[in-house]
Amino acid sequence: DSGVTQTPKHLITATGQRVTLRCSPRSGDLSVYWYQQSLDQGLQFLIQYYNGEERAKGNILERFSAQQFPDLHSELNLSSLELGDSALYFCASSTRGSSDINSPLHFGNGTRLTVT
Amino acid sequence: LAKTTQPISMDSYEGQEVNITCSHNNIATNDYITWYQQFPSQGPRFIIQGYKTKVTNEVASLFIPADRKSSTLSLPRVSLSDTAVYYCLVGPDGFFSGGYNKLIFGAGTRLAVHP
Repeated sequence: DSGVTQTPKHLITATGQRVTLRCSPRSGDLSVYWYQQSLDQGLQFLIQYYNGEERAKGNILERFSAQQFPDLHSELNLSSLELGDSALYFCASSTRGSSDINSPLHFGNGTRLTVT
Repeated sequence: LAKTTQPISMDSYEGQEVNITCSHNNIATNDYITWYQQFPSQGPRFIIQGYKTKVTNEVASLFIPADRKSSTLSLPRVSLSDTAVYYCLVGPDGFFSGGYNKLIFGAGTRLAVHP
């Protein structure tokens, strides 16, 4: 158990809809990362937050947005969903982002999004 | 950005030692080498991290030669449950620009362990 909690585990929705994925990081971790993994594809870095502030951005679509709240949980919002957005979405947390820049990431078990 | 190159796939048998080599010719002085393991439909799991020479933990060993242009993850006596994708990452990337927060995963090595 990594200590990172992601909800929901599964989500099925229709094209054009909007969904919110939630992540609770490990206790004490200030950094949260979001990754997308499509079927048989690698992990695509989306965005990273540290203590409520956005710190790094990957190839995140404009239809996607995220935020980290004062209690350090994070939400990834996906809107105007398309079939191609079907994927596993992983959240990871770490102490990386402050002084310990080599701290490893601890991943949750993901949210499987299916867009029909 | 220190690009990494790993074999796409490897096959082994139960009880054998498996060595997965990762090339990272452009590794920078500040970079560490980190390996993750991912089972199907699960998030990646941190295995081991090193800077130089050899690092060993309860799961694996990591061998890093003096020039640090490659590294080898060694899994002793693999079992069927070691079937997974293994990722080699080199970083931090761009410490002063904050790029160290962009942890980029490559395609990884798909290890299949057979009975």
